[in-house]
Amino acid sequence: EVQLVESGGGLVQPGRSLKLSCVASGFTFSNYGMNWIRQAPGKGLEWVAYISSGSSYIYYAETVKGRFTISRDNAKNTLYLQMTSLRSEDTALYYCARHRTMGIVYWGQGVMVTVSS
Amino acid sequence: VQMTQSPSYLAASPGESVSISCKASKSISNNLAWYQEKPGKANKLLIHSGSTLQSGTPSRFSGSGSGTDFTLTIRSLESEDFAVYYCQQYNEYPLTFGSGTKLEIK
Repeated sequence: EVQLVESGGGLVQPGRSLKLSCVASGFTFSNYGMNWIRQAPGKGLEWVAYISSGSSYIYYAETVKGRFTISRDNAKNTLYLQMTSLRSEDTALYYCARHRTMGIVYWGQGVMVTVSS
Repeated sequence: VQMTQSPSYLAASPGESVSISCKASKSISNNLAWYQEKPGKANKLLIHSGSTLQSGTPSRFSGSGSGTDFTLTIRSLESEDFAVYYCQQYNEYPLTFGSGTKLEIK
């Protein structure tokens, strides 16, 4: 069974940093690209970042480019999202999701990030 | 690519049929997916490639369209179908989602 378990969320002040993790199991992690997708309270889904299986290709949403860094450790089956210079508009539930060319089948349960003073 | 989804809210009764529209700001071929969001559950991929049902999706769901205009249709609504629906294009990065349609029981 595919499982994606996020952690690392919490309450953080504007301008500070936070690092999210997503531990994958039930599949060969190193074979798949991965995404971070977020959802602000009461809002829709927003794709944040993508990393290919071997980390060769990385893409970001314009809203986070230069502030967020996606990375992965295939030996630890873990995906990361380093978030810096956090803003109130980054407050959201952050999902990790296994990439598939034709739509995303597997999503984590999400981890909440709240940016507030 | 901007994805414009409508309506944002829809009320219908069990047994009825509904349609949700999703328009892309430029051609995305058939690189479109539809998702269902329900509280406490993982988002569910319903349809990919514009019209191909994902394994496990009931046949009352159907998708159509290509290029810029797409439609999700649900026939003979069942109680479990009342949820929020999103379209998403995967033709190019950044991946983009529609703003969502909340389907409620009338």
